Order: sequence, then structure tokens, then C-alpha cells
Amino acid sequence: DTEVTQTPKHLVMGMTNKKSLKCEQHMGHRAMYWYKQKAKKPPELMFVYSYEKLSINESVPSRFSPECPNSSLLNLHLHALQPEDSALYLCASSQIDRVVTEAFFGQGTRLTVV
Amino acid sequence: EDKVVQSPLSLVVHEGDTVTLNCSYEVTNFRSLLWYKQEKKAPTFLFMLTSSGIEKKSGRLSSILDKKELFSILNITATQTGDSAVYLCAGKTSYDKVIFGPGTSLSVIP
Repeated sequence: DTEVTQTPKHLVMGMTNKKSLKCEQHMGHRAMYWYKQKAKKPPELMFVYSYEKLSINESVPSRFSPECPNSSLLNLHLHALQPEDSALYLCASSQIDRVVTEAFFGQGTRLTVV
Repeated sequence: EDKVVQSPLSLVVHEGDTVTLNCSYEVTNFRSLLWYKQEKKAPTFLFMLTSSGIEKKSGRLSSILDKKELFSILNITATQTGDSAVYLCAGKTSYDKVIFGPGTSLSVIP
């Protein structure tokens, strides 16, 4: 199983809503990532979890709140988002640094904030 | 600050042409250089390079890394319309950080 599964595939939410994005992998990867990608731009790193602990936060606003409940799951909780937060949110996973491997990406959640 | 730069940013070629995409990086605690192809949704993995001078090949695609010059190239020979995509280069650090360049948008016209 070399898949990273993201749900939902599409999400429309109002600026006062609270929603969560989910990501799951069963490859035994201990590094997991959230990226944000706007149209015609490369993926922009938001968070990295290593061994279920937040290791990198790229100065992301607090309205985005990541959570890693176990080694297979990664969530991104959303609250009070702005229309400019509309983007494709990508989850990825990889082996932890001691084993040099590529990062595998999920298909993304297309988020629209209205 | 970690940085990955790609050139050209966009490229239009005819089917059958050979293209070379460039990637340079300044990444602290560098571990590997990754190439991805992105069409409509998620980036799909092409190559991972960790050692200088060793060419990785997959069909019509090949890539090589120069760790002294902090540079990598991705070659595509005999291009096809299905090669049209954004090609992303990324540097991976020893802290599991993966930093992407801006991408090269390749259009292959019949």
C-alpha cells in the first residue's frame, strides 16, 4: 500500500465554520506533512510532524491547527478561515530522515472559503 | 533561508523534442533532491537523487545531481503530449523538511 488518502476531496466552508481535513497512510512513515498550494504555484510547506510530534511550523496562522493522533493519521483543523485561504491542501508522508526516501502525496482537498 | 530555484519557468516544445529542466538549491542539512510531475492534482514522484554523478533513468526521463555545484537536471527525450505538466524540484533536509521550487511548466504541442 503506497497510498496517502485525504478526505474530503472537496470542501466549501463559511468564514465562521469549523471543519477538519483528514489524511491517512499505512506505509509506516513517521514523517507527515501539510502543504498548501494556490493555483499555478508550487506546494508551500505548512507543518511537519516527525514521530507524531510537530517538528516544523512554517509560521502558519493559528486558524490552522494540525493534529497527529497516531502514526497513521494527520488532521488539519480549520476555524475562522478567510477567502484567501482557499487552495488545494496536500498531505504527504515519508520515511523519517534516517531512511532517505521520497515523500508520497495524497490527492489533496480542494478548499473553498466563502 | 532554504531556497530551490528552477529554470525555465515555462517551456513550449514540439513532440519529439528533447528538453532539459534545471534545478539549483541552497538547502541546509541537505539529504536528497526530489523531482515530481504535477498534472491536475497531487505531485507524482519521478526521481530521488542523493549522490553526485549517478544518473537515474526511467524510460525517456533521466536525472542527475551535482552536489558540488548544488544543481540537478531533468532530461526528457522524444517528448510526447502526455509529458505536458508542471515539473517540480524539491530539496529534502535532514529534518524531514521538503522545500519545493517554483516548478517548470512544460507544454508539448503536437
